[in-house]
Amino acid sequence: AQSVTQLDSHVSVSEGTPVLLRCNYSSSYSPSLFWYVQHPNKGLQLLLKYTSAATLVKGINGFEAEFKKSETSFHLTKPSAHMSDAAEYFCVVSTTDSWGKFQFGAGTQVVVTP
Amino acid sequence: GAVVSQHPSWVICKSGTSVKIECRSLDFQATTMFWYRQFPKQSLMLMATSNEGSKATYEQGVEKDKFLINHASLTLSTLTVTSAHPEDSSFYICSADNGMVAGGYNEQFFGPGTRLTVL
Repeated sequence: AQSVTQLDSHVSVSEGTPVLLRCNYSSSYSPSLFWYVQHPNKGLQLLLKYTSAATLVKGINGFEAEFKKSETSFHLTKPSAHMSDAAEYFCVVSTTDSWGKFQFGAGTQVVVTP
Repeated sequence: GAVVSQHPSWVICKSGTSVKIECRSLDFQATTMFWYRQFPKQSLMLMATSNEGSKATYEQGVEKDKFLINHASLTLSTLTVTSAHPEDSSFYICSADNGMVAGGYNEQFFGPGTRLTVL
């Protein structure tokens, strides 16, 4: 069984300040974890993924995430927010016992103010 | 690489008609494709898993006679919404699994989605 919880449904940041999106997961087996971004009326874009290699994962557009097994967390960060980062972000978990199925978190809406 | 397309990108239909949505993997073969539904301001909900040459596996609560899925080839899966009603209006997204297990994981590649509006 697997599940994922995004702790914030809505995050508002000022342009140029750090962004933190929190994600906790639950899985019976070693998970694969992903962060996706979805801009309004658009499809999903993969930001980064963790697949049992390095625990600190760097993605596109300056985003990174750290896998912490002891805390069952996979938080997404960016040191300096840009206006174009305003979007919906989804944390996703998949495990080997789920036949490749993805479990999506509820999503976090990011608003960036000038 | 790993591009997935969907057609149409948006469709408007009358209540009671059927609508077919295509999902294609353009540059790889996908033995498994997934269909998701997304309501406004909500997350993606997995509807079904589609395997090439076999019947789709539907998630609990999804009507298989309502949402017909066909995966006739390694690059094409179709979702047909039969006798559509306004409550079927939603954003439908497909993904294709490239079957790679390097590093012990599979990766899904997502299509751009299809916006269905039923009048």
